[in-house]
Amino acid sequence: EAGVVQSPRYKIIEKKQPVAFWCNPISGHNTLYWYLQNLGQGPELLIRYENEEAVDDSQLPKDRFSAERLKGVDSTLKIQPAELGDSAVYLCASSLYMNTEAFFGQGTRLTVV
Amino acid sequence: ELKVEQNPLFLSMQEGKNYTIYCNYSTTSDRLYWYRQDPGKSLESLFVLLSNGAVKQEGRLMASLDTKARLSTLHITAAVHDLSATYFCAVDMGVSGSRLTFGEGTQLTVNP
Repeated sequence: EAGVVQSPRYKIIEKKQPVAFWCNPISGHNTLYWYLQNLGQGPELLIRYENEEAVDDSQLPKDRFSAERLKGVDSTLKIQPAELGDSAVYLCASSLYMNTEAFFGQGTRLTVV
Repeated sequence: ELKVEQNPLFLSMQEGKNYTIYCNYSTTSDRLYWYRQDPGKSLESLFVLLSNGAVKQEGRLMASLDTKARLSTLHITAAVHDLSATYFCAVDMGVSGSRLTFGEGTQLTVNP
């Protein structure tokens, strides 16, 4: 069974440019998460979807970050414009339902120069 | 606000030795997870602990949960080099859905 798939794996952009990350969760998983992991730290939740509804986005910096999960399957996380401090690994995870075990993708490592 | 603290943050040990990583959390929860992360890789689920007194073992790793003390431990028995990685505990508040709060991670290095 395929795991959580993210693309791209690596992205280097100049500050003020837009960037987008894509996530395909495990088939049948209703809950999808985007986490941010800074170097040497644990992941921090940005947003959680239950099917296509964003039910927890309190940690998402809405002035520059946006996300969508059309049709309750794939999801896209966008940053516009990117800032130097956005350099980090962006992890997508999915779980069958809320409060069940989450499985993580390999992440997208973003470098903003 | 839930806080999750791990210690130690860095652990260097010799092969064959035993050691314990501790995970303390600040508010009530009965769902705790342990993950492993290799450099440049994603998080691999190791254990899911869902109740007070839960104990799970896989190979040389054993995890336990004491919800009254708000403490989980990850015990390493007879460490081998392949266990070198960063280990995270994560607590799920679960009040209105899943929100994992992670500890800072314990970077484990097992030396031959």
